[in-house]
Amino acid sequence: GAVVSQHPSRVICKSGTSVKIECRSLDFQATTMFWYRQFPKQSLMLMATSNEGSKATYEQGVEKDKFLINHASLTLSTLTVTSAHPEDSSFYICSGYVVGTNYGYTFGSGTRLTVV
Amino acid sequence: DQQVKQNSPSLSVQEGRISILNCDYTNSMFDYFLWYKKYPAEGPTFLISISSIKDKNEDGRFTVFLNKSAKHLSLHIVPSQPGDSAVYFCAASPYNQGGKLIFGQGTELSVKP
Repeated sequence: GAVVSQHPSRVICKSGTSVKIECRSLDFQATTMFWYRQFPKQSLMLMATSNEGSKATYEQGVEKDKFLINHASLTLSTLTVTSAHPEDSSFYICSGYVVGTNYGYTFGSGTRLTVV
Repeated sequence: DQQVKQNSPSLSVQEGRISILNCDYTNSMFDYFLWYKKYPAEGPTFLISISSIKDKNEDGRFTVFLNKSAKHLSLHIVPSQPGDSAVYFCAASPYNQGGKLIFGQGTELSVKP
């Protein structure tokens, strides 16, 4: 089946620094990828939709200057958390949309970000 | 505004019995629904889906029922196994919005031997 590889799985960074999270579609071309975040024991909240070769579409309340999304190729989308603060600590997950399957979406394994 | 709601945060079931997980939604523009299983610190794993033109879809031990008039769907797992213990999320996709998913809050299922 379609696989999305997400790295890193865990990262600890200092306040004020930036962190980049990568998602690669390994055996399919993802023209669209989605970025979610999940706080403990809460739902997965959609942050933005990443489209290859164009600007990302951000959900209401998500700061586009803080969460930079780049989708430069059909197999790679990145999320950069800029000037990270402790409140950005969360679990970030990407998802690729797989055309022509009954499951439609395949998720990365997630990144646990801790900002200290 | 929580468009997809799973009102039971947890459910405990005996091995071999049926597990029923419920999900309600408010947006009539949702046309595709999915159930995912998730372990801590991992991405969700797809279980089963259903289109809004159907009222039932079955795959092995998993069956999803959709009641559009009530804006309600449910996931039935029978027989339940200890390996089914995880958090289950329902998700809905709005028509013509590029495939994004709206997730419920999740229900933690515990299947006891």
